[in-house]
Amino acid sequence: NAGVMQNPRHLVRRRGQEARLRCSPMKGHSHVYWYRQLPEEGLKFMVYLQKENIIDESGMPKERFSAEFPKEGPSILRIQQVVRGDSAAYFCASSPPDTGSTEAFFGQGTRLTVV
Amino acid sequence: AQTVTQSQPEMSVQEAETVTLSCTYDTSESDYYLFWYKQPPSRQMILVIRQEAYKQQNATENRFSVNFQKAAKSFSLKISDSQLGDAAMYFCAYRTYGQNFVFGPGTRLSVLP
Repeated sequence: NAGVMQNPRHLVRRRGQEARLRCSPMKGHSHVYWYRQLPEEGLKFMVYLQKENIIDESGMPKERFSAEFPKEGPSILRIQQVVRGDSAAYFCASSPPDTGSTEAFFGQGTRLTVV
Repeated sequence: AQTVTQSQPEMSVQEAETVTLSCTYDTSESDYYLFWYKQPPSRQMILVIRQEAYKQQNATENRFSVNFQKAAKSFSLKISDSQLGDAAMYFCAYRTYGQNFVFGPGTRLSVLP
């Protein structure tokens, strides 16, 4: 059972371009979480999704950011018109159908650099 | 809203010694789950230990154990016989049913040879 797969591992974008970050959860996991980590800081929650549904997007910036988790395929975090402040590591995690007690399994992150 | 606080930005421990990392949280829920994650320089988030709030017994995983004080909303991590490979960022996390995971700001642990 492969772990949570994120790609790309590193992504460089110029200001104003779009960034698309992909996350394939572990097999059997229907819950996906996206977190952002700035250097030397903790993980800030962005969005919590189940298949085809956004459960909680309270951590998502109101503009330029969107996320989806379609019935088929990976979860996508999309950042439009990137700015330098978007440079960070973005982590995806997944968990099985919700029991509350299950830990989140993390991918290795995508490091986004905006130049 | 639930919050998680880690009051020690940095800690250091001598190899083979014991260190305790602090974590407090704020919640109005009675049933929830607490976790400690480790993030080494590779950035991979690794689960260290988990505690269910309804269990009075403190969780233990080999050299790692917790001191869970529900009334005080405290969840500290004790690392015994510290090893060089324990050097990492440690994050305390909280979760209740149907919600996302809430993380603390982290504690950077250095292990001195």
